[in-house]
Amino acid sequence: AQSVTQLGSHVSVSEGALVLLRCNYSSSVPPYLFWYVQYPNQGLQLLLKYTTGATLVKGINGFEAEFKKSETSFHLTKPSAHMSDAAEYFCAVSRGAAGNKLTFGGGTRVLVKP
Amino acid sequence: EAQVTQNPRYLITVTGKKLTVTCSQNMNHEYMSWYRQDPGLGLRQIYYSMNVEVTDKGDVPEGYKVSRKEKRNFPLILESPSPNQTSLYFCASSLGLDLAGGALHFGNGTRLTVT
Repeated sequence: AQSVTQLGSHVSVSEGALVLLRCNYSSSVPPYLFWYVQYPNQGLQLLLKYTTGATLVKGINGFEAEFKKSETSFHLTKPSAHMSDAAEYFCAVSRGAAGNKLTFGGGTRVLVKP
Repeated sequence: EAQVTQNPRYLITVTGKKLTVTCSQNMNHEYMSWYRQDPGLGLRQIYYSMNVEVTDKGDVPEGYKVSRKEKRNFPLILESPSPNQTSLYFCASSLGLDLAGGALHFGNGTRLTVT
């Protein structure tokens, strides 16, 4: 079985400050890891994904995440928050090449203060 | 434009009245899935389909049915809705069965209220 834990259901950051969203996972096989973003009244959009290879993954809108196997983590960061980053963010895991099911974390809502 | 289309966007119904939420994708994707989103629980998978006539249960299938008679369509059926099925529902599709070749593409959601 696989699971995802996102620390903090709400995060508040100032515009221009670092955004750090934490995600820890459990998986019995090498996982594929994803971050999705959900803007109000919309579906989820893929920010970035890790499948194999380089453990630092760059995504859209200046976000990046690092896969740390020893820590079973896949934290999402952005050096400088923008007002448009206000949204809900979801970390997700699948069972690698054997997987056709995505398990989501509970989500972290980001508020950006001017 | 490549997209996943769900209808309706909003639906209010009463307990026990059968309903169907439609989902259609125009990307020729093999894989389709339904999720429900509830506060603090993230998205939980209801059913998924690997191809036409191939469907399987996700984590929370009770009270739901699906069918995949055509590649592009994957309707979600609630035969006898109950208030605990009040939720935000998302349909999603993917080219790759292992979710690596292509990420999930989501519809804009259907907000269902069962009274």
